[in-house]
Amino acid sequence: EVQLVESGGGLIQPGGSLRLSCAASGFTVSNNYMSWVRQTPGKGLEWVSIMYSGGNTYYADSVKGRFTISRDSSKNTLYLQMNSLKAEDTGVYYCARTVVTATSDALDIWGQGTMVTVSS
Amino acid sequence: DIQMTQSPSSLSTSVGDRVTITCRASQSVRGDYLNWYQQKPGKAPKLLIYAVSRLQSGVPSRFSASGSGTDFTLTISNLQPEDFATYYCQQSDVARTFGQGTKVEIK
Repeated sequence: EVQLVESGGGLIQPGGSLRLSCAASGFTVSNNYMSWVRQTPGKGLEWVSIMYSGGNTYYADSVKGRFTISRDSSKNTLYLQMNSLKAEDTGVYYCARTVVTATSDALDIWGQGTMVTVSS
Repeated sequence: DIQMTQSPSSLSTSVGDRVTITCRASQSVRGDYLNWYQQKPGKAPKLLIYAVSRLQSGVPSRFSASGSGTDFTLTISNLQPEDFATYYCQQSDVARTFGQGTKVEIK
């Protein structure tokens, strides 16, 4: 079964760090484009970051310089390292497989999400 | 970034009705980089339509979509009880941005 399972969320103080994990089954993370998307009370659904199969990474301006996407092929797992966290980073974080072709680019498989709360 | 604006923000309707949701982009979306997702409470979004009008595998044919440039629509014909949810459009031409969502509620 094709599945993504996120973990690592929790309550963290402003300025703190957290690492989210996204374990995949049924397909190979390193052979696919993989994204992180978050859903926050303030902005709704917001794309956060993507890692291409070739290793290139891209970030939303709102997290650039603070968040880092990476993967571990041996564990078939995607990560999101989040530093210098702010209250506005509070929300549910989803990982999603991103299917990119010459004519389409869509998030076809999503995890169940993990909640991140940034608060003192 | 391209801003995506959906209308209406919510609507009340009945089983069996036909529903149309509109998504307008702040600038032209090139190619077919427009998708639609369905989200139910407490669940992750689910891909319904990709590349403007292509039905994702397993999605019922009562869902259809069309559009080009800056204006796109999602139509649900013969609304079923399981279709009451929030729907989002998303462009993936310039970065990736989502609409604010349209909540379809039972009248």
